[in-house]
Amino acid sequence: KAGVTQTPRYLIKTRGQQVTLSCSPISGHRSVSWYQQTPGQGLQFLFEYFSETQRNKGNFPGRFSGRQFSNSRSEMNVSTLELGDSALYLCASTPWGSSYEQYFGPGTRLTVT
Amino acid sequence: ILNVEQSPQSLHVQEGDSTNFTCSFPSSNFYALHWYRWETAKSPEALFVMTLNGDEKKKGRISATLNTKEGYSYLYIKGSQPEDSATYLCAHNTGNQFYFGTGTSLTVIP
Repeated sequence: KAGVTQTPRYLIKTRGQQVTLSCSPISGHRSVSWYQQTPGQGLQFLFEYFSETQRNKGNFPGRFSGRQFSNSRSEMNVSTLELGDSALYLCASTPWGSSYEQYFGPGTRLTVT
Repeated sequence: ILNVEQSPQSLHVQEGDSTNFTCSFPSSNFYALHWYRWETAKSPEALFVMTLNGDEKKKGRISATLNTKEGYSYLYIKGSQPEDSATYLCAHNTGNQFYFGTGTSLTVIP
């Protein structure tokens, strides 16, 4: 089975721009979670989508949004980028019926200049 | 906000040494405790999931224990090898959300 894939792997944007990151979960997984990692911080939960609906949301400003498509692929969008948004963004997919397992993608490294 | 703390932040050991790390978490709203191994430029890889107080899990030279009453878990590596070099993350799963620590970075010196 193919693992979780994320595109692009690296991205450089300018302050004020917006960005969209993509995550394709493992086939059959219907839940996708997004995390942000900045230097010195643990993975910070952004949001979780299940069956195209946002099921949980972390404590991030409204500039961070996401969606999930009918094929379970998910995108997250950050509008009006700030320097502090520079981070590694990871997504993880969870098998149907499980609260225990998360399979992570390799991440997208976003640099905001 | 649930704070998960890991110590030490980083560790250098000689090949063959045994080592251990600590993960502390709030004992309330406990559903599961996860350990992940994260090598540079790769995806975090699940090592263990533990749900019951007193749980002990083992995979080869790596093992973990769980104390949910006092809110801590230990990860042990016996006879460290250079390929064990990675960041080890723990996460407190409340059933709704995962709360991660900042990780322990392990370097095993040949």
